[in-house]
Amino acid sequence: DADVTQTPRNRITKTGKRIMLECSQTKGHDRMYWYRQDPGLGLRLIYYSFDVKDINKGEISDGYSVSRQAQAKFSLSLESAIPNQTALYFCATSDSHRGDNEQFFGPGTRLTVL
Amino acid sequence: RKEVEQDPGPFNVPEGATVAFNCTYSNSASQSFFWYRQDCRKEPKLLMSVYSSGNEDGRFTAQLNRASQYISLLIRDSKLSDSATYLCVVRRPGGYNKLIFGAGTRLAVHP
Repeated sequence: DADVTQTPRNRITKTGKRIMLECSQTKGHDRMYWYRQDPGLGLRLIYYSFDVKDINKGEISDGYSVSRQAQAKFSLSLESAIPNQTALYFCATSDSHRGDNEQFFGPGTRLTVL
Repeated sequence: RKEVEQDPGPFNVPEGATVAFNCTYSNSASQSFFWYRQDCRKEPKLLMSVYSSGNEDGRFTAQLNRASQYISLLIRDSKLSDSATYLCVVRRPGGYNKLIFGAGTRLAVHP
């Protein structure tokens, strides 16, 4: 089945470490997104990309960077992790050629920064 | 004020009950509206879009009131499998498919 996958699924790291979260999709969608989810706050958009050459900041991009290596791959980096970046991170995709009405999410990466 | 607000719950209901969730949004120019479902520790998945005329999908009915900037989800004949968190989602204007998520309403259906 066409899918959205994320690696790693869980990660514990220390303050100051550089971390990369990977997202891959086999759906053939052009648009990809990174969100974080915190209790009581809902999902918040970190970065989004509408194609390989297009990268845009979301609501909470400070402390994060992204790379769209190919249409199917979108990675999120924390250059120097801090404890308040502890959260559940989701990658999502959508298809602008089919009305863009639904975003499809990966299974999430649970990140803990000590 | 949050852009999308929901009652966090939890709503604890018996099987077979009817339950309704409400959601308000602050940006009157918002274009599209959705309900997503999120099971515990899993990813959100689209449950249904919300249309101006209201729409129904089996036991689920969604309503939109643009004048009051209010969205609702009604679940009839609740099943144990309906237990989840329901996320109210609004698309910002601008054509960039930027979705704003509510924090979610938790539903627990018990036998």
